[in-house]
Amino acid sequence: DTEVTQTPKHLVMGMTNKKSLKCEQHMGHRAMYWYKQKAKKPPELMFVYSYEKLSINESVPSRFSPECPNSSLLNLHLHALQPEDSALYLCASSPIPLLQGTGVGNSPLHFGNGTRLTVT
Amino acid sequence: AQSVTQPDIHITVSEGASLELRCNYSYGATPYLFWYVQSPGQGLQLLLKYFSGDTLVQGIKGFEAEFKRSQSSFNLRKPSVHWSDAAEYFCAVAPNSGGYQKVTFGIGTKLQVIP
Repeated sequence: DTEVTQTPKHLVMGMTNKKSLKCEQHMGHRAMYWYKQKAKKPPELMFVYSYEKLSINESVPSRFSPECPNSSLLNLHLHALQPEDSALYLCASSPIPLLQGTGVGNSPLHFGNGTRLTVT
Repeated sequence: AQSVTQPDIHITVSEGASLELRCNYSYGATPYLFWYVQSPGQGLQLLLKYFSGDTLVQGIKGFEAEFKRSQSSFNLRKPSVHWSDAAEYFCAVAPNSGGYQKVTFGIGTKLQVIP
């Protein structure tokens, strides 16, 4: 069982819908991530939060809006998506906070099982 | 900028045979290196990681990887493959300063195991 929980597992939405993806972890990690993975492609970083503050936005379109309401939760709000946004959306967490420390850490990313999103 | 190359998109091995998956990286210094495995429709599970020290790293499920600085490689090996090892394998690299904020994944190698 993964220690990072993502809901829902599957989501189908129209281009005019508003929906949200949720991610939760209780490992005390202070960095949380959203990745997007298209079929037969590697995961691509979208956003990173450190101490509940957005620290990296990889030039993601504004139709994707992340939110980190507390240290355990990470949301991704979706609005006016396009069919090409259909993908597996992976949440991850890490105990190493961004821009802190010497970088000599021992704990890598912990991934959830993802939300399979289909935009029709 | 860091990058990862996995030259083999698809590999087929017989159950019980040995396995080696190749990974080469490009980075100005020695980065942090990882191997992840992904089963269909699932998230990624860490197999092993290299930060420093011993260049031969042991991981879960009987996997190991060897860091070779001179070849900029971090190949994954397993002496005897099991049918349950069929999955997608991703090599990944992260900068060795500032944490894990920009983990870059290779394109992945799909492993097929035949009886």
